Amino acid sequence: NAGVTQTPKFQVLKTGQSMTLQCAQDMNHEYMSWYRQDPGMGLRLIHYSVGAGITDQGEVPNGYNVSRSTTEDFPLRLLSAAPSQTSVYFCASTQRVGTGRVYGYTFGSGTRLTVV
Amino acid sequence: QQPVQSPQAVILREGEDAVINCSSSKALYSVHWYRQKHGEAPVFLMILLKGGEQKGHDKISASFNEKKQQSSLYLTASQLSYSGTYFCGTEAGTASKLTFGTGTRLQVTL
Repeated sequence: NAGVTQTPKFQVLKTGQSMTLQCAQDMNHEYMSWYRQDPGMGLRLIHYSVGAGITDQGEVPNGYNVSRSTTEDFPLRLLSAAPSQTSVYFCASTQRVGTGRVYGYTFGSGTRLTVV
Repeated sequence: QQPVQSPQAVILREGEDAVINCSSSKALYSVHWYRQKHGEAPVFLMILLKGGEQKGHDKISASFNEKKQQSSLYLTASQLSYSGTYFCGTEAGTASKLTFGTGTRLQVTL
């Protein structure tokens, strides 16, 4: 049981390049999210999804796109990388029950992205 | 809007107790607590639902004051393994999205 798998673990991009951060979970969780973590700012929500085909914006969505074509996968796309997007990115998933409340999140191991 | 955590950092000797607070300006449905060790992913500790319940896990427990939109994490008889950064996450409104505080760095020393 792998849990939440993120790839790559490290990436260096040049300004203006695009790339996709991969996230996959094997727990049949409906709810998936992307966070970025910067020193002193905690974890900030980029985008989230409550099921296949459904996505919504979080606190800091600009410069990022997501799609959710399957329950298992939730890729994050950087359209045109900027130095301000240098960060550690975490994907997380949880199960959704009843009225929409969530249980504890399981996090992936993270992707450390540097944009030069 | 991020919940506010306090203190920002705390240093303890092994065996001492600590309290970490989390407050929000929004009406909350739930509060989550996570611990993150350096270079690792956050790990879920517990969740508290609307209703003022208190939960515990070993010597770590938490409470949720629904009227004040505040939660507190209690670490009793701290161990070296408790060191790390603690985050609260809050769920408010109907969107079912989790918003995290900026974290409390806890260091336990001998």
